Amino acid sequence: SQTIHQWPATLVQPVGSPLSLECTVEGTSNPNLYWYRQAAGRGLQLLFYSVGIGQISSEVPQNLSASRPQDRQFILSSKKLLLSDSGFYLCAWSRNLAVEGGEKTQYFGPGTRLLVL
Amino acid sequence: GQQVMQIPQYQHVQEGEDFTTYCNSSTTLSNIQWYKQRPGGHPVFLIQLVKSGEVKKQKRLTFQFGEAKKNSSLHITATQTTDVGTYFCALSYSGYSTLTFGKGTMLLVSP
Repeated sequence: SQTIHQWPATLVQPVGSPLSLECTVEGTSNPNLYWYRQAAGRGLQLLFYSVGIGQISSEVPQNLSASRPQDRQFILSSKKLLLSDSGFYLCAWSRNLAVEGGEKTQYFGPGTRLLVL
Repeated sequence: GQQVMQIPQYQHVQEGEDFTTYCNSSTTLSNIQWYKQRPGGHPVFLIQLVKSGEVKKQKRLTFQFGEAKKNSSLHITATQTTDVGTYFCALSYSGYSTLTFGKGTMLLVSP
């Protein structure tokens, strides 16, 4: 069965510090990968998605970046955090439509709660 | 671009009352999915609707896809405290790799 891991679970960082959040998926190959941010009590904002190694699509211009160094690894980074970067960061995966076709069901990781002070 | 409206934003019911959330798209959908996020948790896939006019049931939950494939609803009969959470619709459009999530409906159930 497939599992998705995210770490850390919670993080408190000062403004201006760097950020690195990691997401890994097990039990599947060549997944589509996604990073979302959720502000408290709000909806899901898609930040980045990737359909393959080294392929990153950015949905929202900001001071965050994403990388996919390996097939099942997705990293969210920032060089200098802003107060507005606080939120709940969720990684998700779905089957690769080009390879497997069909559904776009997304499976979410447990998330990282980031507080920037 | 695609626009999605999900209403209501929030609903507070007494245990045993019914609950419905609605999702509307500005354009025709390929399919629609529903997710549930418990407080403090992550979204979990509930169901996918594909066919025009489709109705699916999961115990006390009834999901409906509109005839024009532009709207959907989730109805919970006789809510329980375990139904508490935020329900999101997620819209799938032909030719797009991503889902467009609604803003969600937060359901609070009082015992």
